[in-house]
Amino acid sequence: GEDVEQSLFLSVREGDSSVINCTYTDSSSTYLYWYKQEPGAGLQLLTYIFSNMDMKQDQRLTVLLNKKDKHLSLRIADTQTGDSAIYFCAETGYNQGGKLIFGQGTELSVKP
Amino acid sequence: GAVVSQHPSWVICKSGTSVKIECRSLDFQATTMFWYRQFPKQSLMLMATSNEGSKATYEQGVEKDKFLINHASLTLSTLTVTSAHPEDSSFYICSARGLSPEQFFGPGTRLTVL
Repeated sequence: GEDVEQSLFLSVREGDSSVINCTYTDSSSTYLYWYKQEPGAGLQLLTYIFSNMDMKQDQRLTVLLNKKDKHLSLRIADTQTGDSAIYFCAETGYNQGGKLIFGQGTELSVKP
Repeated sequence: GAVVSQHPSWVICKSGTSVKIECRSLDFQATTMFWYRQFPKQSLMLMATSNEGSKATYEQGVEKDKFLINHASLTLSTLTVTSAHPEDSSFYICSARGLSPEQFFGPGTRLTVL
């Protein structure tokens, strides 16, 4: 089946940029998503990108997509302690009815 | 973004009882809702996909008679865990999708079966 991979941990200093990476295997991927999960909570949709786009920016968040390498990244500028959470990458493919395939999640730790 | 609610947020029940969890899309019509299960420190495991007015599609290995899903309206889906046992204890999360590609998640329900 299709697979999505993420590194498990990332630690940064407050004020630095964070870059969370994700790779996927689905050649027919149509949309790719980034979600944030804080302890004991559900998932918050941060942003998503259509597979024919290379980049999407939304305030402090920049998503880069390299479709050839099936690589997705999320850059958080000026990372704050409130950004500490688990970040999930997910993708859905053509004709999947919206079913998401999730990565394992990257735990971002922001140190003051 | 759109809002999805879940009720209850947590529930403790005795082994052998049934528990119903509600998932509501508050400000949009959800043509499709999804139910996930999440174990501590792990990713989400999709249990089933439900489309309004039709039977849910269960993922491999998920017992449809144990996890009953009803999606009777465009704003409400329910998951009933029947004859719950301690191994059913988990964090259950729903998500909802309308006509756009965005998929919004509920806050989750923590189920503890004693």
